[in-house]
Amino acid sequence: DQQVKQNSPSLSVQEGRISILNCDYTNSMFDYFLWYKKYPAEGPTFLISISSIKDKNEDGRFTVFLNKSAKHLSLHIVPSQPGDSAVYFCAASANTGNQFYFGTGTSLTVIP
Amino acid sequence: GAGVSQSPSNKVTEKGKDVELRCDPISGHTALYWYRQSLGQGLEFLIYFQGNSAPDKSGLPSDRFSAERTGGSVSTLTIQRTQQEDSAVYLCASSPRARQPQHFGDGTRLSIL
Repeated sequence: DQQVKQNSPSLSVQEGRISILNCDYTNSMFDYFLWYKKYPAEGPTFLISISSIKDKNEDGRFTVFLNKSAKHLSLHIVPSQPGDSAVYFCAASANTGNQFYFGTGTSLTVIP
Repeated sequence: GAGVSQSPSNKVTEKGKDVELRCDPISGHTALYWYRQSLGQGLEFLIYFQGNSAPDKSGLPSDRFSAERTGGSVSTLTIQRTQQEDSAVYLCASSPRARQPQHFGDGTRLSIL
């Protein structure tokens, strides 16, 4: 039972444009959300997080938006750069447990 | 400082053999996680250690899988009588405390022939 879903396996964007990666979740108890970036043959690296008390968190070119009523979050990257080409995972956690639930990832390609 | 270190980086073994995977977390991190990523899948939670508390083993797929964490630092994941469906990348992650962003190792790619 996949509690965190990333329905787009891949996304291609021109350099300089905005990349929007989407993530949906089913568990209403999730209150903490994270995005990770993964290059081939490396482990994921933490990018940005958001708590359910907020609806937006921004860090440089990266912004995460949370829509609790829709159980949806998105990661915006602007402007996109070729070095942003990677697989992006969203993850969620509930304060009732210790687990993080990960989506299946979206492969982003930024075209120079 | 040093990140999370995993060894070996690659392991090829025959079906039925036992394998042991090692994880060295970041010093001082009390939380340690093991995940598995099969081809085309997301990260599947396996087990979680937090300080001296009993580990959360709820993600272990069968009793062939076990893990321990000695002295609150190094962890080993053991798979007994390996099967072909155990082929995956096994990732270890640590964080200073529970429910904080995790630092991942580069994983062990396990291939069962």
